Amino acid sequence: AQSVTQPDIHITVSEGASLELRCNYSYGATPYLFWYVQSPGQGLQLLLKYFSGDTLVQGIKGFEAEFKRSQSSFNLRKPSVHWSDAAEYFCAVVLYNTDKLIFGTGTRLQVFP
Amino acid sequence: DTEVTQTPKHLVMGMTNKKSLKCEQHMGHRAMYWYKQKAKKPPELMFVYSYEKLSINESVPSRFSPECPNSSLLNLHLHALQPEDSALYLCASSQDRGQGLGYNEQFFGPGTRLTVL
Repeated sequence: AQSVTQPDIHITVSEGASLELRCNYSYGATPYLFWYVQSPGQGLQLLLKYFSGDTLVQGIKGFEAEFKRSQSSFNLRKPSVHWSDAAEYFCAVVLYNTDKLIFGTGTRLQVFP
Repeated sequence: DTEVTQTPKHLVMGMTNKKSLKCEQHMGHRAMYWYKQKAKKPPELMFVYSYEKLSINESVPSRFSPECPNSSLLNLHLHALQPEDSALYLCASSQDRGQGLGYNEQFFGPGTRLTVL
């Protein structure tokens, strides 16, 4: 069955440091891949998505992600983290031609000044 | 208008109450979704409506009753809930799954925080 794994439950970084959040998926073909961010008590905001084409995807708020088929990974990166980036980050996949988003368990990002 | 709105923001109800959650979008989207999110967990899909017809029900208990009165509105009627139903309920919408597109991005509302006493 298809699944999404986010190995890191909680990550703490200093403001200005670089960031990488890991995401691995399990699926027979290339799924559609997403990263969402959720601030406390809020809904989800789409950071970026990958459907096909260039494997390095640029998103909002200075985030990017790289799709690596050989590693079944879609890791999220940011070169310099801001205190406002503190939030919960979810990786998600959707199967082609369905409406169903499958979320990973999330990674909580804490940013220290 | 590019947002999904949800009312109320917070709801506290007893186990014998009947209440409703409301979701609205004016983006012309034809698919709408309800998700349930427990604390420190990812959202879980409950229902999907496509062109105002229920297309997916993820084996949700009957005490949750969705309704899509028109293409802009989605309701979730609640009756005889249990304390374990306390959660953040998220609504989302997307364009109709276009021919050949395979998937349309879902836009999420801010959610309703439900507490069942």
